[in-house]
Amino acid sequence: QVQLVESGGGVVQPGRSLRLSCAASGFTFSDYAMHWARQAPGKGLEWVAVIWHDGGNKYYGDSVQGRFTISRDNSKNTLFLQMNSLRAEDTAVYYCAKGWRVVDSWGQGTLVTVSS
Amino acid sequence: QSGLTQPPSASGSPGQSVTISCTGTSSDVGGYNYVSWYQQHPGRAPKLIISEVSKRPSGVPDRFSGSKSGNTASLTVSGLQAEDEADYYCSSHAGNHTLGVFGGGTKLTVL
Repeated sequence: QVQLVESGGGVVQPGRSLRLSCAASGFTFSDYAMHWARQAPGKGLEWVAVIWHDGGNKYYGDSVQGRFTISRDNSKNTLFLQMNSLRAEDTAVYYCAKGWRVVDSWGQGTLVTVSS
Repeated sequence: QSGLTQPPSASGSPGQSVTISCTGTSSDVGGYNYVSWYQQHPGRAPKLIISEVSKRPSGVPDRFSGSKSGNTASLTVSGLQAEDEADYYCSSHAGNHTLGVFGGGTKLTVL
């Protein structure tokens, strides 16, 4: 079955960087676009970024454009999110999720807290 | 990237039916048949319960159904059960060169 396991979250000071990873298994990773989404404490869901199956196209939400970079390593079935210039408002649970127009599987999430 | 509009709350008694709306624009909900609904219990990851407006993934009870008319999609939960109490989010594809959009979420309470 599909399994997505995020890692790399933690507490980080404003302005610093953090890199999240998502290890995928149970499906042919290189066949699927992948998303990062996030959910601030007590708030709703927000799409953060998406990358096509071959890494050829990437799209970002307005709130992270220019600060976050999505990437993937299809040889290692792993998705990444490089987060730079972090702000307090980036505090959230970050989820990786499988699919493009239909996002059908989600990981359990990793918590990122931006605080001094 | 404006979000979709959902009512913040909905409720019903066990056995009743409840419908949650999700209103967008012709650039998202109205323009594509790629509306999804997710169920999220507290502290858990979202779970896909409806895709492509009205398709139910394997394992999702047929009490859950979806539809769309114009720029508004709807999720109907029939025969409400206690375990249906959760947050529900709609999401729509918004074009091949941009991210999709979410609704703000609806908290469903089973009375």
